[in-house]
Amino acid sequence: AQKITQTQPGMFVQEKEAVTLDCTYDTSDQSYGLFWYKQPSSGEMIFLIYQGSYDEQNATEGRYSLNFQKARKSANLVISASQLGDSAMYFCAMSGADGLTFGKGTHLIIQP
Amino acid sequence: ETGVTQTPRHLVMGMTNKKSLKCEQHLGHNAMYWYKQSAKKPLELMFVYNFKEQTENNSVPSRFSPECPNSSHLFLHLHTLQPEDSALYLCASSPTGGPHYEQYFGPGTRLTVT
Repeated sequence: AQKITQTQPGMFVQEKEAVTLDCTYDTSDQSYGLFWYKQPSSGEMIFLIYQGSYDEQNATEGRYSLNFQKARKSANLVISASQLGDSAMYFCAMSGADGLTFGKGTHLIIQP
Repeated sequence: ETGVTQTPRHLVMGMTNKKSLKCEQHLGHNAMYWYKQSAKKPLELMFVYNFKEQTENNSVPSRFSPECPNSSHLFLHLHTLQPEDSALYLCASSPTGGPHYEQYFGPGTRLTVT
């Protein structure tokens, strides 16, 4: 069975600072994907970034990067130069043979 | 329209009612999913359809009945629900099933069972 652990229920960060959201995972699959989603208060889940289990380089998408450490089963999300609009719930997720398994999320609040 | 749409956005129903949630994707994808998001709990996968065939039923009670008439449409039929079924129900789609495709989510239906 797959498991995702997000150990930070909430975080407060000053605007323009970099943010690291932690995610560890557990799986017996050899091929899997790791994803980060953002969920604003409106409820919609917004895809941010993807990392494949066989990818050797860390994924980057604009201000988002994924710090993938396979041996440690870690897939942390880094947001550079945070903005007020980054305030939201952030979910780490893993995909295997059947759909996505989500963590409990981190509530990120960016302060001016 | 673009992306994944869901209707209605909000629904209040009694325990004896029958209602349906609708999801439509305009992305040309072949896999569609239903998720349940309850307060303070991770998203829970309910159903998976890949090329209109149901490939996953994650031990969901029979009072939830999915229907996928084609690759663009997905329904969740609800009957005799319980108050604990109140939640945000999210629909998603991906190009196909499998672990390496991101899923695109709709805005969700906020369901309240009274």
